[in-house]
Amino acid sequence: DIVMTQSPDSLAVSLGERATINCKSSQSLLYSSNNKNYLAWYQQKPRQPPKLLIYWASTRESGVPERFSGSGSGTDFTLTIGSLQAEDVAVYYCQQYYDTPITFGQGTRLEIK
Amino acid sequence: QLQLQESGPGLVKPSETLSLACTVSGGSINTNIYFWGWIRLPPGKGLEWIGSISYSGGTHYNPSLKSRVTMSVDTSKNQFSLNLSSVTAADTAVYYCARVGGGYGLYDAFDIWGQGTMVTVS
Repeated sequence: DIVMTQSPDSLAVSLGERATINCKSSQSLLYSSNNKNYLAWYQQKPRQPPKLLIYWASTRESGVPERFSGSGSGTDFTLTIGSLQAEDVAVYYCQQYYDTPITFGQGTRLEIK
Repeated sequence: QLQLQESGPGLVKPSETLSLACTVSGGSINTNIYFWGWIRLPPGKGLEWIGSISYSGGTHYNPSLKSRVTMSVDTSKNQFSLNLSSVTAADTAVYYCARVGGGYGLYDAFDIWGQGTMVTVS
């Protein structure tokens, strides 16, 4: 199984400041034939289902604010929230879909400082 | 727009079978573009993929659950289903159904999710 490890487990950031969440996979998620990284990011707020934010490591889902961005390749990935808003308080998960079993990171809880 | 809704019992006894359905509205499940999946969130833990199924019934299960999982599709009801047998307290979780989006078959992100349904084994 591909193990996904997020850091940190929790994060407190001031409103308007940048938040950065890291995700490391136990093997490369880059598929050489199409040069795509099979990595997604989700946001989950209390009592809501996960919401897709980013797929192919850096493509923003339709309707997701521009302050959310994804970067990285191979085994190391980052989700950046450019200017934290109050509504961004949530748990964030990375997920690999390179191979089955599909696996998720353990989650990072983001709070306001 | 496409919506997914889980349904099924909220309480299941140990050793029995958990059965859930996911009804798709606003679009057809009968398309060879998309796969459909089940994911769960146990209390205090992270997300776990249970498995995914195509419109034609092709399945991929998490090996950790494979011996207990069965998924099926009912195109006449625009619905897909999950059966998890021999449940224990460790199967207590919020269960979500979701669409594997983008048209890359199984290997793509989950772009549309149901609201989730809490299932307690007790």
